Amino acid sequence: EAGVAQSPRYKIIEKRQSVAFWCNPISGHATLYWYQQILGQGPKLLIQFQNNGVVDDSQLPKDRFSAERLKGVDSTLKIQPAKLEDSAVYLCASSPRGLGIYEQYFGPGTRLTVT
Amino acid sequence: AQSVSQHNHHVILSEAASLELGCNYSYGGTVNLFWYVQYPGQHLQLLLKYFSGDPLVKGIKGFEAEFIKSKFSFNLRKPSVQWSDTAEYFCAVNEGNQGGKLIFGQGTELSVKP
Repeated sequence: EAGVAQSPRYKIIEKRQSVAFWCNPISGHATLYWYQQILGQGPKLLIQFQNNGVVDDSQLPKDRFSAERLKGVDSTLKIQPAKLEDSAVYLCASSPRGLGIYEQYFGPGTRLTVT
Repeated sequence: AQSVSQHNHHVILSEAASLELGCNYSYGGTVNLFWYVQYPGQHLQLLLKYFSGDPLVKGIKGFEAEFIKSKFSFNLRKPSVQWSDTAEYFCAVNEGNQGGKLIFGQGTELSVKP
């Protein structure tokens, strides 16, 4: 079974530029998450999708971050404009069941450096 | 707000030493508890989980964790570590009525000397 795919793996941009990350979850997984992991910290949930609907985006900085999951499969996370403090690893995870108890499978992450 | 604390930022052990990594959380209701591991250059993967039942849970690679509700703790243990256990370990909590959202601790880096 293929795992969660993410691209790009690394990205370097200047502040005020925009950037987009892509995630392809495990086939059949209904729930998809985006986490932000700043160096020295644990991952922090940005947004959770159930199929193509948003379940939780309470910690997403909506003035600059946006995410979508068209057709309930792939997802993109965008930052526009980027700030220095956005430098982090952005992790995508998926889960085989809906709301409730389940395990999350993580992708390799995209390391973003904002200069 | 819910929070998860991992007591040790960096632990250094020699091979065959015993390991215990602390994890405490702040939520007083029903919780689901997890330990994730990230080996160098690899992605996060599940080590073990607790949903209900026996508070002593066993995971992969000889790891186990004990849920002590009265102490809001879910400490990770291994009786004898190996060099290959060198990794970063994250405790995570899911509030039982909040869907799948995981709240992670800050992580503990484990270095095992051969």
